[in-house]
Amino acid sequence: DTGVSQDPRHKITKRGQNVTFRCDPISEHNRLYWYRQTLGQGPEFLTYFQNEAQLEKSRLLSDRFSAERPKGSFSTLEIQRTEQGDSAMYLCASSLGQIPAEGYTFGSGTRLTVV
Amino acid sequence: DAKTTQPNSMESNEEEPVHLPCNHSTISGTDYIHWYRQLPSQGPEYVIHGLTSNVNNRMASLAIAEDRKSSTLILHRATLRDAAVYYCILRDDSGAGSYQLTFGKGTKLSVIP
Repeated sequence: DTGVSQDPRHKITKRGQNVTFRCDPISEHNRLYWYRQTLGQGPEFLTYFQNEAQLEKSRLLSDRFSAERPKGSFSTLEIQRTEQGDSAMYLCASSLGQIPAEGYTFGSGTRLTVV
Repeated sequence: DAKTTQPNSMESNEEEPVHLPCNHSTISGTDYIHWYRQLPSQGPEYVIHGLTSNVNNRMASLAIAEDRKSSTLILHRATLRDAAVYYCILRDDSGAGSYQLTFGKGTKLSVIP
């Protein structure tokens, strides 16, 4: 297993367009998290899934954001009507169980630039 | 979530030990202390975690004060690859909630060759 994969690595989009990011977690991991990171800040929690169920959403996740994890495998994060403030690194992490002994495994992220 | 305080930046010479401090005076009894690091252009990477006792693994050691109000991440011999932002995070692992990680700004460690 090559770890958590995120696609694309970089995305440049015009304001108002919709974008979708994909995360492929480690195959046996049942928990999947999305974070957002802006320049100079630590990552901020957006949402998490246990298997296919989305169990918690941060208030950062406005109604323009939607995340899915069909069949409890890969996940997608869609941003509709992008705004310049959405420019950030979007990180995905996965884990087996609630308190993994080796912590969460993060992907390398998708860097979104809204112009 | 209980907050942590870390220096913004630190420097170390290559092959010397590094002690990264973290203050968490409002820690609760069920808060575990987690450390992650983030290398440039990568996602965060798990380093170590502990509750009360000092912990060692292949990457680092975690020294926890007796009153648990502070902790220190110890890298025994810094290498250039250890240059990263190090995050000290408290998380309530008592059985309630999402177990999300709440990151601060961390400490940016520079390693001088």
